[in-house]
Amino acid sequence: EVQLVESGGGLVQPGRSLRLSCAASGFTFDDYAMHWIRQAPGKGLEWVSGISWNSDSLGYADSVKGRFTISRDNAKNSLYLQMNTLRPEDTALYYCVKDSSDYYGSGTYEYYFDYWGQGIPVTVSS
Amino acid sequence: DIQMTQFPSSLSASVGDRVIITCRASHIIRSHLNWYQQKPGQAPKLLIYAASSLQSGVPSRFSGSGSGTDFTLTISSLQPEDFATYYCQQSYSNPPTFGGGTKVDIK
Repeated sequence: EVQLVESGGGLVQPGRSLRLSCAASGFTFDDYAMHWIRQAPGKGLEWVSGISWNSDSLGYADSVKGRFTISRDNAKNSLYLQMNTLRPEDTALYYCVKDSSDYYGSGTYEYYFDYWGQGIPVTVSS
Repeated sequence: DIQMTQFPSSLSASVGDRVIITCRASHIIRSHLNWYQQKPGQAPKLLIYAASSLQSGVPSRFSGSGSGTDFTLTISSLQPEDFATYYCQQSYSNPPTFGGGTKVDIK
């Protein structure tokens, strides 16, 4: 059974940092790209960042580019999101999400988000 | 970025009704369109991928169609467990983008 368990969220002041982690199990982690997707309270889904299976290709939403860094440790079956210079508009539930493909990057290819964690809340407020 | 527009944004329906949700892309995305269901307090769940392929374990009353810019998600006979919010997502080009969601509630 695929399991994605997020941790590291919480309440943080604007301008501070937070690091999210996602522990993956039930599948061969280094066979798949991974993503972070967030959902602000009462709002829709927003893709935040993605990473290919071997970390060769990374991508970010414009809203977090230059502030957030995605990484993974395939030996530990773990995905991370380092969030710096946090803003109130970063307040959301952050989901760790498995990709159906090993690839992340440019071009057109078939993929979808087939497994989601339960999400971890991040609140940015003074 | 490709913009995804869903309509309606909400609808009320009864058990047994046929429900159709529409999603429109701002650019041609061929069949690179996925549908997700989200129930309150839960993570989204994949229903349909590549516009019309049913994810394993998803009931056959769910179906998807469309290509190019216009897509539909159809629930042939609405069941009590189908009351939820539905999102479309394009996977034609990065960044992936989602529609604003369609909330299906009980009439």
